[in-house]
Amino acid sequence: AQSVTQLGSHVSVSEGALVLLRCNYSSSVPPYLFWYVQYPNQGLQLLLKYTSAATLVKGINGFEAEFKKSETSFHLTKPSAHMSDAAEYFCAVGRSSASKIIFGSGTRLSIRP
Amino acid sequence: EAQVTQNPRYLITVTGKKLTVTCSQNMNHEYMSWYRQDPGLGLRQIYYSMNVEVTDKGDVPEGYKVSRKEKRNFPLILESPSPNQTSLYFCASSKLAGGNNEQFFGPGTRLTVL
Repeated sequence: AQSVTQLGSHVSVSEGALVLLRCNYSSSVPPYLFWYVQYPNQGLQLLLKYTSAATLVKGINGFEAEFKKSETSFHLTKPSAHMSDAAEYFCAVGRSSASKIIFGSGTRLSIRP
Repeated sequence: EAQVTQNPRYLITVTGKKLTVTCSQNMNHEYMSWYRQDPGLGLRQIYYSMNVEVTDKGDVPEGYKVSRKEKRNFPLILESPSPNQTSLYFCASSKLAGGNNEQFFGPGTRLTVL
């Protein structure tokens, strides 16, 4: 069975500070991993996706995530936060042989001026 | 523009009054899915469809029905809504089935059942 855990339901950082959103997964087979972002009153959109081609994955809006098999982690980072990054972020795990993606409970990111 | 559309965006109804939330995608995707989003629980899958006339239950299917008569449409039906179905609902689609495919989401439908 697969599962994903996001540590911290709410993270607050100052504008210009490092953003770190944590995600740990459980999977009995090599996983596909995703980060989605949900801006207020909108649907989810893909930030980035890990497909085993490279452990460091670059996404949109300056975000990146690193796949660490030994730690079963896929944390999302951005070197310098911008006010427009305020949103809810979801980590998700899937595998090609399954019909669905499992979503984490989400982390709300707030940016302080 | 490639998109997933949902209607209505907001709906307030009363217990027991049947309702349908429509979902349509214009990307010729095979896979479509319905989720509900509740605080602290993330997204939970209600039903999914791997192609026309092929549907299956997700993690929380009780109280919901779906149909897939055409590739582009995947309506969600609540035959007898109850207050515990008050939630934010998302329709999503992907080119193919399989957990390695990016899903494209609609804008959401906020449902309140009184």
